[in-house]
Amino acid sequence: EVQLVQSGAEVKKPGESLKISCKGSGYSFTTYWIGWVRQMPGKGLEWMGIIYPGDSDTRYRPSFQGQVTISADKSISTAYLQWSSLKASDTAMYYCARHPSGGTIDFWGQGTLVTVSS
Amino acid sequence: DIQMTQSPSSLSASVGDRVTITCQASQDISNYLNWYQQKPGKAPKLLIYDASNLETGVPSRFSGSGSGTDFTFTISSLQPEDIATYYCQQYDNLLSTFGGGTKVEIK
Repeated sequence: EVQLVQSGAEVKKPGESLKISCKGSGYSFTTYWIGWVRQMPGKGLEWMGIIYPGDSDTRYRPSFQGQVTISADKSISTAYLQWSSLKASDTAMYYCARHPSGGTIDFWGQGTLVTVSS
Repeated sequence: DIQMTQSPSSLSASVGDRVTITCQASQDISNYLNWYQQKPGKAPKLLIYDASNLETGVPSRFSGSGSGTDFTFTISSLQPEDIATYYCQQYDNLLSTFGGGTKVEIK
């Protein structure tokens, strides 16, 4: 059974760093793109970017380039989303999602709620 | 960055009604268009891929059509369990964007 299990909710202060994770199981982690989707409170879905764990090829939507870093550790089948300096506007639910060929999303993680508040 | 304009942003319909949602791309995306359903507090679920293909296990009352820049998603007979927000998603050359979403409610 394919599963994407994300790390737990986080509460951080502005300016702090953060790295959240998404562990894949039940499939060949290195042969599927895996990406991140943001959903701000009460708002719609925003596609952020994807990574191919097999060779770490990473693509970002322009509006997220330089704002976050997507990475993966194929040895433990885990993808990451990280911030070096959080802002209040980063408060959102973040979903990891499997993209079989880099486009369509067929499996989603349960979501990680990130709250940034002073 | 390809923009997706989805309409309406919300709608209210009766059980059994036919419901139609549209999505327009800012440039030609061929058939690289998917539709997802998101219920409150849950992750989205894929319903339609490549504009018109029904994902395995999805009821046949859901359908999609279109190509190029104009796409349509239809629920042929609205059921109470279809209350959700629906999103289109385009993908092109390993980049993607979602439409703004359509919240579907029962009248």
